[in-house]
Amino acid sequence: DQQVKQNSPSLSVQEGRISILNCDYTNSMFDYFLWYKKYPAEGPTFLISISSIKDKNEDGRFTVFLNKSAKHLSLHIVPSQPGDSAVYFCAALTRHAGNMLTFGGGTRLMVKP
Amino acid sequence: NAGVTQTPKFQVLKTGQSMTLQCAQDMNHNSMYWYRQDPGMGLRLIYYSASEGTTDKGEVPNGYNVSRLNKREFSLRLESAAPSQTSVYFCASSEPASGFENEQFFGPGTRLTVL
Repeated sequence: DQQVKQNSPSLSVQEGRISILNCDYTNSMFDYFLWYKKYPAEGPTFLISISSIKDKNEDGRFTVFLNKSAKHLSLHIVPSQPGDSAVYFCAALTRHAGNMLTFGGGTRLMVKP
Repeated sequence: NAGVTQTPKFQVLKTGQSMTLQCAQDMNHNSMYWYRQDPGMGLRLIYYSASEGTTDKGEVPNGYNVSRLNKREFSLRLESAAPSQTSVYFCASSEPASGFENEQFFGPGTRLTVL
C-alpha cells in the first residue's frame, strides 16, 4: 500500500496562473517532506522541502503547505511558466530512521503558453 | 563538477542475462542510493549505502545486488534479468553531515529493457 499518494496523474494550467499540486500520506511518522521536479530523460532535481514543525515554506514562486492533521501537503507555483512543465514528485521521510525517501507516483504538470 | 553519473544510459537484455549498472559521484557524499522508477509508482528504493563499506536493503531488493566499491562508486547488479526488471534506474547521493542531509542528488538514469 502506497504511503505517499499523488492522486492527480496530470494537471494542465495556463501560463501566469497558479498551479496547485497535491500529495497525501498515511504514515504519521514522516517528519520531513520534499518536492522533486523531473524533466524527460533527466534525473529528479530537488525543488523545495518542509519540516513537520512548519506549515508553510516559500522559495520564490514555489510554496509548500503542510496540513499535518489531514496528512496532506500541496505545492503552489505562482505564476506558472511554460518551463515549469515537468513531472513533480512528492517525497517523505522519517529523519531518525535514516534518509530513505518514500515517493509518490508523480503529477505531470503542463503549463500552456 | 559532474555530480552523479550513470552508465550505461540505455540497455536491452534478454531474460537470464546479467549486467551491472555503474554509478559515480564527485561530491564527496557519504550516502548513495539506487531507485527504480515505474509508471505511476514513483521511485522505489532498491538498496542504499549509508557510508563506504555498508549496504542495506530498501523497499524492492529482490533480484538485485549492490557493491559500494569506494566512497565515489556504487554499482547495481542484476544476476539473472527478468522482464519485471524493465524500468528506469536512478542512482542518487546525499551528505548527511552537510546540513542538507535530506536532499538527494540524482543521476540521469539508465533505461533498461528486459526481453
